[in-house]
Amino acid sequence: EVQLVESGGGLVKPGGSLRLSCAASGFTFSSYSMNWVRQAPGKGLEWVSSISSSSSYIYYADSVKGRFTISRDNAKNSLYLQMNSLRAEDTAVYYCARGGIAVGGTLGDYWGQGTLVTVSS
Amino acid sequence: QSVLTQPPSASGTPGQRVTISCSGSSSNIGSNYVYWYQQLPGTAPKLLIYRNNQRPSGVPDRFSGSKSGTSASLAISGLRSEDEADYYCAAWDDSLSGPWVFGGGTKLTVL
Repeated sequence: EVQLVESGGGLVKPGGSLRLSCAASGFTFSSYSMNWVRQAPGKGLEWVSSISSSSSYIYYADSVKGRFTISRDNAKNSLYLQMNSLRAEDTAVYYCARGGIAVGGTLGDYWGQGTLVTVSS
Repeated sequence: QSVLTQPPSASGTPGQRVTISCSGSSSNIGSNYVYWYQQLPGTAPKLLIYRNNQRPSGVPDRFSGSKSGTSASLAISGLRSEDEADYYCAAWDDSLSGPWVFGGGTKLTVL
C-alpha cells in the first residue's frame, strides 16, 4: 500500500524557516517524481514544487522561487521542502504528492494527509 | 487568479448528471493531459481522472472526463450525496507559469 506521511509543520514567525519531510512507503520511491502542493485556509490547491526521480530536474512556483528548496533522499525514501524567509501568505496545509516516472507524467496519484504551516507573529 | 478557470460552484439533485468545466490555453490543456481531483471536506485530494479520461482503479464509472481543444470537463452521472465535495482540474503547462497549474476549484452541492 502506497503511503505518504508529511511532518515538520508548525507555527513560525515571519522571516523564519521550516523544513517539511515526507516519508514514502509501499512503492519504489527512487523511480517516481515527487511534488509539494499547498492549500491556504479556505482556498484552492496551489502547486509549489516538483523534483524528478534522480533530482536532475527541479521546478518551483514563482511564489516560492528563491525561498524554498525541494530535495529528496532516495536511500531514505524521503522528500523534503526547506522553507526560508517565510511569509504570512505561505500559511497553508502542505501536501506531498506522488508524480509520474517523468516530472510531467502525472500529478498526485497518491497524496499524503498534509501538514499545516502557520506563519504568524 | 488561477491559470485554469473553473466555475466556483455547481449543484444537482440525487440521480442527476452534472458537469464541471475547466478552461485553459494552448500551453496547458491544449497540449497536455488534464487531471481531476476530488477533495472531500477535511481530507486530502484524491485523483479522480488522469490523462483526460482515464479512471484510477476504484473510481466509479459514474465519473468521466473529456477534453476538447483548450477546455476539459468532468461529468458525474447518477449524483449521490457523497459526491458533495470540491473538484479541481490540473494540467502540465509548457509556459513559464508552470509546470503544473490548477483550476480554482468547484464546490459541488448535492441538493
